[in-house]
Amino acid sequence: RKEVEQDPGPFNVPEGATVAFNCTYSNSASQSFFWYRQDCRKEPKLLMSVYSSGNEDGRFTAQLNRASQYISLLIRDSKLSDSATYLCVVSGTGRRALTFGSGTRLQVQP
Amino acid sequence: GAVVSQHPSWVICKSGTSVKIECRSLDFQATTMFWYRQFPKQSLMLMATSNEGSKATYEQGVEKDKFLINHASLTLSTLTVTSAHPEDSSFYICSAMEEKLFFGSGTQLSVL
Repeated sequence: RKEVEQDPGPFNVPEGATVAFNCTYSNSASQSFFWYRQDCRKEPKLLMSVYSSGNEDGRFTAQLNRASQYISLLIRDSKLSDSATYLCVVSGTGRRALTFGSGTRLQVQP
Repeated sequence: GAVVSQHPSWVICKSGTSVKIECRSLDFQATTMFWYRQFPKQSLMLMATSNEGSKATYEQGVEKDKFLINHASLTLSTLTVTSAHPEDSSFYICSAMEEKLFFGSGTQLSVL
């Protein structure tokens, strides 16, 4: 089983739609969780951290369910510029690097 | 926010040559940097952890003699792909931690 699993998509949605991605992780000791966005042949950029209490940043809402070991990202009112690959990222203890999911591709269409 | 600079952005080379990629933390000191590789439509895979002043830690399956890592200062880590072959063609990206993980812009390596 992969450490971090995501549905690769693609998710093709019209502008203005609401779309949700889920991600599951296998290590119950994982401590930090993030969503990154990656455009084609570019470096990943941090979208938001994910907290147990859930957090919102504008049109983006992230939630963490430790009991079920999954993380979600909700995008409301999708824009064309939201088209990208969204990476679920999990870290364990110590200073080890983060573990990336394979990403979920989103294509927002006019 | 913190900035990580990576050069070059693109490299095209002949099979058998060596390629050096530089990763610099511009406004902070990074005792640890990470090197990832990403093949098309796949996830970033950690190759190695670069430690300032000591040997790098390589992930399972990554050949340390092929992917030489040097972290001689607190702001610079280099990855050298020695005797590159077409199967080494990939997107290589470095990162460093400053509260959060910041990435360099990546290097697309194409070996002919």
